[in-house]
Amino acid sequence: NAGVTQTPKFQVLKTGQSMTLQCAQDMNHEYMSWYRQDPGMGLRLIHYSVGAGITDQGEVPNGYNVSRSTTEDFPLRLLSAAPSQTSVYFCASSYGQGASADTQYFGPGTRLTVL
Amino acid sequence: AQSVTQLDSHVSVSEGTPVLLRCNYSSSYSPSLFWYVQHPNKGLQLLLKYTSAATLVKGINGFEAEFKKSETSFHLTKPSAHMSDAAEYFCVVSDINRDDKIIFGKGTRLHILP
Repeated sequence: NAGVTQTPKFQVLKTGQSMTLQCAQDMNHEYMSWYRQDPGMGLRLIHYSVGAGITDQGEVPNGYNVSRSTTEDFPLRLLSAAPSQTSVYFCASSYGQGASADTQYFGPGTRLTVL
Repeated sequence: AQSVTQLDSHVSVSEGTPVLLRCNYSSSYSPSLFWYVQHPNKGLQLLLKYTSAATLVKGINGFEAEFKKSETSFHLTKPSAHMSDAAEYFCVVSDINRDDKIIFGKGTRLHILP
């Protein structure tokens, strides 16, 4: 199993550009989530999904969209990039519907810089 | 709503001495609690988790944590620090009876002195 994979590993955008961060898992996990990590802030939940076709907002959803058309994939879209979105982004997955009690498996992260 | 507070942003200990990383939580229901570790430029890895079974939880690499409901605490300990323990540690709370949101603490960076 590859686990949780994220692409790209690094990305530089100009203000106003849009892009999609890709996340895929091959563990048949129902629960997937996106976090951003900023110095001194820990990880903050952006969006999460408890299964294909179901998504919900986390703590900091503004400026981001998600969709979950398959169990495996959970892309994160930046609609119009802003310097405040410069961060490291982590995707995570875990098993089961009541999955917040389960171990989360994290991808290696995407380091995004918005100029 | 649930929340989690890590009481120290940085902790320094000498190699071979005990480690204590403090975490307090707030939850309206019975929470699930986790500790994750992040080594530099890496993703996060689970150290241990509490999900309403034994209150003393043993994890990987000699770490353990004790769930104390009366104190709303879930402190992480290790009897003897090793240089490889230098990393950032995150305390995490979630509540499957309320929603599936998972809340991270802001992290504690552990420094190991030779």
